Amino acid sequence: EAAVTQSPRNKVAVTGGKVTLSCNQTNNHNNMYWYRQDTGHGLRLIHYSYGAGSTEKGDIPDGYKASRPSQENFSLILELATPSQTSVYFCASGGLGYQNTLYFGAGTRLSVL
Amino acid sequence: GEQVEQLPSSLIVQEGASVLINCSYTDSASVYFPWYKQEPGKRLQFIIDIRSNMERKQNQRLTLLFDKKTKHLSLHITATQPGDSAIYFCSAKGRTGNTRKLIFGLGTTLQVQP
Repeated sequence: EAAVTQSPRNKVAVTGGKVTLSCNQTNNHNNMYWYRQDTGHGLRLIHYSYGAGSTEKGDIPDGYKASRPSQENFSLILELATPSQTSVYFCASGGLGYQNTLYFGAGTRLSVL
Repeated sequence: GEQVEQLPSSLIVQEGASVLINCSYTDSASVYFPWYKQEPGKRLQFIIDIRSNMERKQNQRLTLLFDKKTKHLSLHITATQPGDSAIYFCSAKGRTGNTRKLIFGLGTTLQVQP
């Protein structure tokens, strides 16, 4: 099974601070994704990537940036964190093609105070 | 864009009962529908999927039915066990163009009581 590792697992940040969430996958998947999970909203796509050097906006990209420096790593960056960004963030990876299974990380619980 | 709706939002059953989770989507261009399960405090895991050229797929105690005409799916779980307690997510994915993203429903929380 593909291994997707997120760090940190828990993070407390201050409003206006910069937060970087990291994701590493070891299955050589081209596609990587960042979702946030909130009660009443399910999973919403923030950014995704087709491969090293590429990032694409998802459905709720405002306030977030993404970086894909290599096949293995995909970061989510909150330049100026706000309390509304308090959530659980999940990274996922998947292979090529429309019928590919997503493999999820364990999640990062972020609290912005 | 694509929207995915799930009903019910939650249900509680006794061990051994069968459950039905309904899902509907809006975009007729969606062609692939994977389901994921999230046990308490754990990561999402793939459990079953179906393509739009299929009507039915079974994986052990899971049966997934698909109606392309009504844009409706239903997940049937038989002989439920406490270990089935989780949030179940329906999702839909487009096949062409800039549509490699997966859209999730809000999830159905299932609690199986021993």
